[in-house]
Amino acid sequence: AQKVTQAQTEISVVEKEDVTLDCVYETRDTTYYLFWYKQPPSGELVFLIRRNSFDEQNEISGRYSWNFQKSTSSFNFTITASQVVDSAVYFCALSDPNSGNTPLVFGKGTRLSVIA
Amino acid sequence: DVKVTQSSRYLVKRTGEKVFLECVQDMDHENMFWYRQDPGLGLRLIYFSYDVKMKEKGDIPEGYSVSREKKERFSLILESASTNQTSMYLCASSFATTNSNQPQHFGDGTRLSIL
Repeated sequence: AQKVTQAQTEISVVEKEDVTLDCVYETRDTTYYLFWYKQPPSGELVFLIRRNSFDEQNEISGRYSWNFQKSTSSFNFTITASQVVDSAVYFCALSDPNSGNTPLVFGKGTRLSVIA
Repeated sequence: DVKVTQSSRYLVKRTGEKVFLECVQDMDHENMFWYRQDPGLGLRLIYFSYDVKMKEKGDIPEGYSVSREKKERFSLILESASTNQTSMYLCASSFATTNSNQPQHFGDGTRLSIL
């Protein structure tokens, strides 16, 4: 069965610090996709990134970067120079493309608080 | 931009009532989903639908039903509301592909309280 573990329930950092959110996944499939979503206090989940299991290149988008390591089944998310607007709950998710339209499996989320 | 609209942000109902939560998307997505979100439990899938009049049970379907009469609309029904159904409900939609790599787009959520 597929599983996503976000071991960090809550993290607090001071503004401008770097912070890494951990995501560890379990799947028997060789082909799969990984996602990160952000849920600000307003409630809507916002899609951040999708990663194919065959693409292990790290990705950077502004202050956000993602480190995908297949050997350790991890897909960690780093925010550089954090800002108060980064305060949110962040979810990591996994999909199994071989199951057709099977929905995503979500981790339980990490609540990030950035303090000014 | 994809827009997923949930009919209510906040809703208060009484135990035993039949409750309808509505969700509409405007991007012609085939797939639609209902989740509930509870502290410490993350998002749990209730039901999903990959086509009109089609539905599949998720992880926690008990006490719920769904209806998808039109492609753009997916309704969640609490047949007889109970206090343990007090939660945040999130609707999502996505394109259907053969390899399920499409991101889901979410609505703002409905915070439902059952008294």
